[in-house]
Amino acid sequence: GQQVMQIPQYQHVQEGEDFTTYCNSSTTLSNIQWYKQRPGGHPVFLIQLVKSGEVKKQKRLTFQFGEAKKNSSLHITATQTTDVGTYFCAGYSGGSNYKLTFGKGTLLTVNP
Amino acid sequence: DGGITQSPKYLFRKEGQNVTLSCEQNLNHDAMYWYRQDPGQGLRLIYYSQIVNDFQKGDIAEGYSVSREKKESFPLTVTSAQKNPTAFYLCATRARGLSYEQYFGPGTRLTVT
Repeated sequence: GQQVMQIPQYQHVQEGEDFTTYCNSSTTLSNIQWYKQRPGGHPVFLIQLVKSGEVKKQKRLTFQFGEAKKNSSLHITATQTTDVGTYFCAGYSGGSNYKLTFGKGTLLTVNP
Repeated sequence: DGGITQSPKYLFRKEGQNVTLSCEQNLNHDAMYWYRQDPGQGLRLIYYSQIVNDFQKGDIAEGYSVSREKKESFPLTVTSAQKNPTAFYLCATRARGLSYEQYFGPGTRLTVT
C-alpha cells in the first residue's frame, strides 16, 4: 500500500534558526496536506498543495510540492517557541479522496 | 477542532473489556474517520465512513468496530480482540469541496491494564 515517509523524526533548534522537514511518498499523490500537532493537542490543518511544483507561503512557513508530486517540504524561517510541535504531511492517492495517509511526523523543539 | 467532541478525554479499562469511544460532530460533514496515534508514530487509519450507514476498514481495523447510524455520530468500539489497545484515539471529519482538509476532535486517551 501507499507509504509516506517523513524526515527527520526529531529536530531541535535554537530560536531564530531555520527548520525544514521533508516528506516522500511511494506513490504519486493527488494532493498533499500539512498538519501541526502541539504537544498534548490534536492535529490542525495548515495547508494543501495540489499542483506539481507548487509553492505556498504562510508568513514564516514555506510549503513546496515536488514536480513529480511524490515529495514535499515544509520550511520555517527564524523559528519561534510557538512553532514547537509535530508537523505531519499527509496525502491522498490512488484515486481516493477519502483515505488520507500520514507520515510519522517531525517533532520540532525550540530552545529559547 | 471546533464542532467535534470526543468523550471522555481519558479512559481506563481492564483487559478483556470492550470499550466504546464517542465522536459527535455538528459541522454537517459527511465523512468521518477514526485514527490511532502511538508515541513516535503518525496517525494510522482504523475506519472511515463516507456517508451514513456505510463505512470502510482502514489500515488497522482488526479488533475494532464502528457504526454510522447518524450523520453526527461515529462511535468506535475497541474490542477485547485488539491486542494493544492503549493509545490516543482521534476522530476526524472531512469537509466537502476542493480542500479535503480534515478536522480533528480533541482525542481520547485510552489506557488498558
